[in-house]
Amino acid sequence: EIVLTQSPATLSLSPGERATLSCRASQSVSSYLAWYQQKPGQAPRLLIYDASNRATGIPARFSGSGSGTDFTLTISSLEPEDFAVYYCQQRRNWPPGFTFGPGTKVEIK
Amino acid sequence: QVQLQQWGAGLLRPSETLSLTCAVYGGSFSGFYWSWVRQSPGKGLEWIGEINHGGSTNYNPSLKSRVTISVDTSKNQFSLRLSSVTASDTAVYYCAREDLVGATGAFDCWGQGTLVTVSS
Repeated sequence: EIVLTQSPATLSLSPGERATLSCRASQSVSSYLAWYQQKPGQAPRLLIYDASNRATGIPARFSGSGSGTDFTLTISSLEPEDFAVYYCQQRRNWPPGFTFGPGTKVEIK
Repeated sequence: QVQLQQWGAGLLRPSETLSLTCAVYGGSFSGFYWSWVRQSPGKGLEWIGEINHGGSTNYNPSLKSRVTISVDTSKNQFSLRLSSVTASDTAVYYCAREDLVGATGAFDCWGQGTLVTVSS
């Protein structure tokens, strides 16, 4: 089973700063990786799919990169509404299914 | 704009069966896979299983023995049943759609979530 590890667990930054979040897979997932944002009391919101493609309506300050086992979500300049928890997710072909990383909380410094 | 609306019992006793339903409004139902995902309090996200409009299913191996996902195409609805629940099944349960644009099968649309508490 592929395990996703996210780092850091918590990222303390100020509005306007750049956020760099990491997701590492225990074995290659090719580019089958997505990123989500979740705020308290809300469902997750898809940000990035296939490692680097922004989902519909997602601002350009969000970008994803990586392939194989190492992936990065970058928020170029944090807006107040960006402080939330971010999860990565991968798809496995066999057995069919999905797993999520444990999340990175981006908090206001 | 597709919307997912879910409902079901929020309080269960140990050994009972969890039952939730998700209705899809405003978009196509066929051609997609539809999933259930749960999130335990203060913890991360766990995929439970998926179904397509033809009734083909895949389940998380860790839950497979207790999970049944079914579909009612006449109502654009799909449902989750989880048997023999215990306190460890206490979580917010979400229904979600798997997008077709990419290869990841990312979840591009989510229900509002239902908190299910298992307590004696």
